[in-house]
Amino acid sequence: GDSVTQMEGPVTLSEEAFLTINCTYTATGYPSLFWYVQYPGEGLQLLLKATKADDKGSNKGFEATYRKETTSFHLEKGSVQVSDSAVYFCALVNTGTASKLTFGTGTRLQVTL
Amino acid sequence: NAGVTQTPKFQVLKTGQSMTLQCAQDMNHNSMYWYRQDPGMGLRLIYYSASEGTTDKGEVPNGYNVSRLNKREFSLRLESAAPSQTSVYFCASNDRQGSRGYTFGSGTRLTVV
Repeated sequence: GDSVTQMEGPVTLSEEAFLTINCTYTATGYPSLFWYVQYPGEGLQLLLKATKADDKGSNKGFEATYRKETTSFHLEKGSVQVSDSAVYFCALVNTGTASKLTFGTGTRLQVTL
Repeated sequence: NAGVTQTPKFQVLKTGQSMTLQCAQDMNHNSMYWYRQDPGMGLRLIYYSASEGTTDKGEVPNGYNVSRLNKREFSLRLESAAPSQTSVYFCASNDRQGSRGYTFGSGTRLTVV
């Protein structure tokens, strides 16, 4: 079945540092890929998405590129802020699955001054 | 523009008690989902409803039942709560296309003692 693997957290960075959170997936066909963010005490919010190979999703300074050859969708940001502290989830939706999202286990990011 | 509304936000149950978690969306989405979130395990799908009048099991359906009351509402019922059902529960909705991502509610934190 489909699966998503994320790097273990927590990730602790100083403000203005470069962020990479790795995500790889296993799926048949051509899934759509997503990054969701969960701030403390809140639900998940869509951060960015990509629907086909080589697409780059971007939002709020975050970027991720759909790499079919390496089955990856790594999240990056050039300069993190304290307000970026949250849990980040990589996820996919595959065709013919009634739009069911498959999530990774989440990566907690802590940004300090 | 409420999006997805879940009630209650918090609940404590005794083992063996029953309760229903309510979820409503105002975006005219066809598909609705119930997930549970547990530490280190990401989000796991309990049940989903691809359209009004249909429901299907997800990854972890045991101990739960659902009702798609109408297009707006999708409830989750615990008939006899167990400590293993202590979790944070999220409802989500999506349009049929799937690739646009989900909208999540803010969650219900359930503790079973």
